[in-house]
Amino acid sequence: DGGITQSPKYLFRKEGQNVTLSCEQNLNHDAMYWYRQDPGQGLRLIYYSQIVNDFQKGDIAEGYSVSREKKESFPLTVTSAQKNPTAFYLCASSIGTASTHGYTFGSGTRLTVV
Amino acid sequence: AQSVAQPEDQVNVAEGNPLTVKCTYSVSGNPYLFWYVQYPNRGLQFLLKYITGDNLVKGSYGFEAEFNKSQTSFHLKKPSALVSDSALYFCAVRPRQGGSYIPTFGRGTSLIVHP
Repeated sequence: DGGITQSPKYLFRKEGQNVTLSCEQNLNHDAMYWYRQDPGQGLRLIYYSQIVNDFQKGDIAEGYSVSREKKESFPLTVTSAQKNPTAFYLCASSIGTASTHGYTFGSGTRLTVV
Repeated sequence: AQSVAQPEDQVNVAEGNPLTVKCTYSVSGNPYLFWYVQYPNRGLQFLLKYITGDNLVKGSYGFEAEFNKSQTSFHLKKPSALVSDSALYFCAVRPRQGGSYIPTFGRGTSLIVHP
C-alpha cells in the first residue's frame, strides 16, 4: 500500500537534546510538509519541501531543521533551541505544492520533553 | 493573507440526527477548500474538496459540504450522524492563484456523536 510512514510513534526528549523524526513516503509525491499540532491551535506549518534538495521555512521554523536528500524522505530535527517541543508532529505529502489534490498525512509522532 | 475560522470548538449531536460543522474563510480571489478528519492519535484523512463546479460537494463516509461564495463558507454536513463519526474535523483553504499554494488549516472542531 502506498502511504506515509512516520517513526517513532512516541518519542521522549531530554532537555538540551536534539531528536530526529522520520518521515518516509512511497507515493512518488514531490512535495512534503511538516506540521506541529497543539491542542486548540490546529496545524502549524514548520517546513515544506517542493523538490529534492530544496525546502522552505513555514510559520514556526525556529528551533527546527530539515533535509530532503531523497524524494521519499523528509526528516525533521527538533533542536535544543526549540523551547517548547512537546507536541504532536505530522508529516504530509502531495503531488506538488500547486496540486489541487488533498494531502496525505502520516500517523504522527508524539514528542514529549522529560 | 488567507485564513480559516471554525467557530465551534465542539459540536454535539445525537446519532441519527443531521450534523453540521461550520467553516468560514478569507482568501484573495476564488478559493480551493478542503475538509479533513482526524481520529485520536492519528494523522488527518482527506474527506472532500471544492475546486470548481457544483457548490455541493460529496465526499467520503457520506459527508458533503456546501460552498457558499457570498457567505464565504464551506460547511460540512451529513444527513444522519453515526457514533463512529466522532472525531476532530479540519477545514483548509488556499487561493486558486497567486499567493501561497500552501493551505491554511482551521483550528479544528471536535464532533461528538452521542448514542
